[in-house]
Amino acid sequence: GESVGLHLPTLSVQEGDNSIINCAYSNSASDYFIWYKQESGKGPQFIIDIRSNMDKRQGQRVTVLLNKTVKHLSLQIAATQPGDSAVYFCAENAQEGYSTLTFGKGTMLLVSP
Amino acid sequence: GAVVSQHPSWVICKSGTSVKIECRSLDFQATTMFWYRQFPKQSLMLMATSNEGSKATYEQGVEKDKFLINHASLTLSTLTVTSAHPEDSSFYICSASVTQETQYFGPGTRLLVL
Repeated sequence: GESVGLHLPTLSVQEGDNSIINCAYSNSASDYFIWYKQESGKGPQFIIDIRSNMDKRQGQRVTVLLNKTVKHLSLQIAATQPGDSAVYFCAENAQEGYSTLTFGKGTMLLVSP
Repeated sequence: GAVVSQHPSWVICKSGTSVKIECRSLDFQATTMFWYRQFPKQSLMLMATSNEGSKATYEQGVEKDKFLINHASLTLSTLTVTSAHPEDSSFYICSASVTQETQYFGPGTRLLVL
């Protein structure tokens, strides 16, 4: 299930389940979105991105969905594995032509074997 | 490709000393480098943006005299935490930008100020 901690929401799933991590972004002018995975003690790792002219983009075991109407972004991970356990951040680029990113609060994904 | 390194990976220092953290793009030239700070169980907070050869742009609330950034080349940026205090203890992460959108992140530097 999903719970909200003091700082970091946590999603706990069983190995093999599909995981859905949600993100609400703030700027309706944002035109580029990225999902990052951050393992404990490491820097963020790029997972997948999507531009505002798309609603869906698929990668290997991951799918990103973008709903601009409600400013919502989701990351779907198929057949979740223990190695997927990490904190996942969405980031938005609100300035065309600039690379400044604004990060969301993050969701911790815990995968049980 | 697009590997970013940071050095050191962790550092412990006494209060009042200065600490320098290096960020290098190993296999590409970065037009822009970013410095972030991350506290436990929190998100990344952008501290400053730097372009090679020019002064860094600091985010609101970040003291530019305390967090000195030097971007001397297209592959190296340094962050110096001057007169560090325990409240500066954090995880410092840099990133380097190739295009105007994609950022590649370093592994982070954990700073502990005693």
